[in-house]
Amino acid sequence: GENVEQHPSTLSVQEGDSAVIKCTYSDSASNYFPWYKQELGKRPQLIIDIRSNVGEKKDQRIAVTLNKTAKHFSLHITETQPEDSAVYFCAASMNDMRFGAGTRLTVKP
Amino acid sequence: GAVVSQHPSWVICKSGTSVKIECRSLDFQATTMFWYRQFPKQSLMLMATSNEGSKATYEQGVEKDKFLINHASLTLSTLTVTSAHPEDSSFYICSATAGNNWGSPLHFGNGTRLTVT
Repeated sequence: GENVEQHPSTLSVQEGDSAVIKCTYSDSASNYFPWYKQELGKRPQLIIDIRSNVGEKKDQRIAVTLNKTAKHFSLHITETQPEDSAVYFCAASMNDMRFGAGTRLTVKP
Repeated sequence: GAVVSQHPSWVICKSGTSVKIECRSLDFQATTMFWYRQFPKQSLMLMATSNEGSKATYEQGVEKDKFLINHASLTLSTLTVTSAHPEDSSFYICSATAGNNWGSPLHFGNGTRLTVT
């Protein structure tokens, strides 16, 4: 089955800096790669996703890149703000969805 | 946007009792629902996948007789934790997708925090 690895597990940045979270997946058949943000005690919220026919997608301060050959994808957050502080999960999916271990992002004011 | 409603949001039960958690898709038909379990500061672990009208597919290590899943309609799936024990205490989250071979976003319920005393 699919195995998703995510790094780093924790990330601390200064407000205004960029943050990058990286994930790798094992199943080349996976074709959908969402990113979720989870605040403490709340449900995960989809923030951006990318499908396997696209190499990059951007939505304001958030961007995701996908390298199918290397089987890795990354989340980029620019101009970080304290409210970006949360746990971020990557996931890979074809018919079911497997999550990475999560990255706890802290943005210091 | 797609809304998934999960109830109850929290429950405390005594060891040996059973607890039922409901997951409903409110504004779309969920061909597939997933049940996840999340321990503190850890990721979401897939427990089982349920398709409407068929038996759930359980992940390795998840006891199907302990975690009963029923996906009776395109808008409702239930997870029953039978004969609960303290080690079953966790955060359970359901999610739903309209589903297609191209991959679809998951829409999560708010989760149920189960505490077994």
